[in-house]
Amino acid sequence: GAVVSQHPSWVICKSGTSVKIECRSLDFQATTMFWYRQFPKQSLMLMATSNEGSKATYEQGVEKDKFLINHASLTLSTLTVTSAHPEDSSFYICSAPRGETQYFGPGTRLLVL
Amino acid sequence: GENVEQHPSTLSVQEGDSAVIKCTYSDSASNYFPWYKQELGKRPQLIIDIRSNVGEKKDQRIAVTLNKTAKHFSLHITETQPEDSAVYFCAASQGGKLIFGQGTELSVKP
Repeated sequence: GAVVSQHPSWVICKSGTSVKIECRSLDFQATTMFWYRQFPKQSLMLMATSNEGSKATYEQGVEKDKFLINHASLTLSTLTVTSAHPEDSSFYICSAPRGETQYFGPGTRLLVL
Repeated sequence: GENVEQHPSTLSVQEGDSAVIKCTYSDSASNYFPWYKQELGKRPQLIIDIRSNVGEKKDQRIAVTLNKTAKHFSLHITETQPEDSAVYFCAASQGGKLIFGQGTELSVKP
């Protein structure tokens, strides 16, 4: 089956620093990947669509200058949380589609102190 | 944009009973409706999905029904087992973008 990995699995950082999260499709290519955020006991909220070779498409209310997305190749998308603050602490999950099926990464737990 | 409503938010059943979770969506252009099971701290796992040209799909103890006219779809789990306890999410998709419902925390008591 299709495999999607994320790195790191968890990160703790100080307020004001930037954090980069990588999402890789290991055995298939993905021209599009998706980034979600999930707060405790809440649903997954779509943040943006990452497009290989072009700009990401952000959902309403998501600051594109704060959440920088780069889709560098057909197997890699990165999400950089810039100037992170405690309210950015969350579970970030990426997904990559193969056909209609979305394959999720294992998630990255971010804690901003 | 698409909006997905899911009910109930919590559901407690006795082992062996059935569980039903319902979702409604707003955008008639949505054409793919997956259901996910998520255990604490883990990624969502696809358990069943249905496409807009199908009204019902079954996989062992799990079934999903779709009413396109009413824009609602439901998950049915029969003969529930304690290992079915988890949070379940419905989603609606068009063009790959998934919009999730709020989730249902299912608890199956032995």
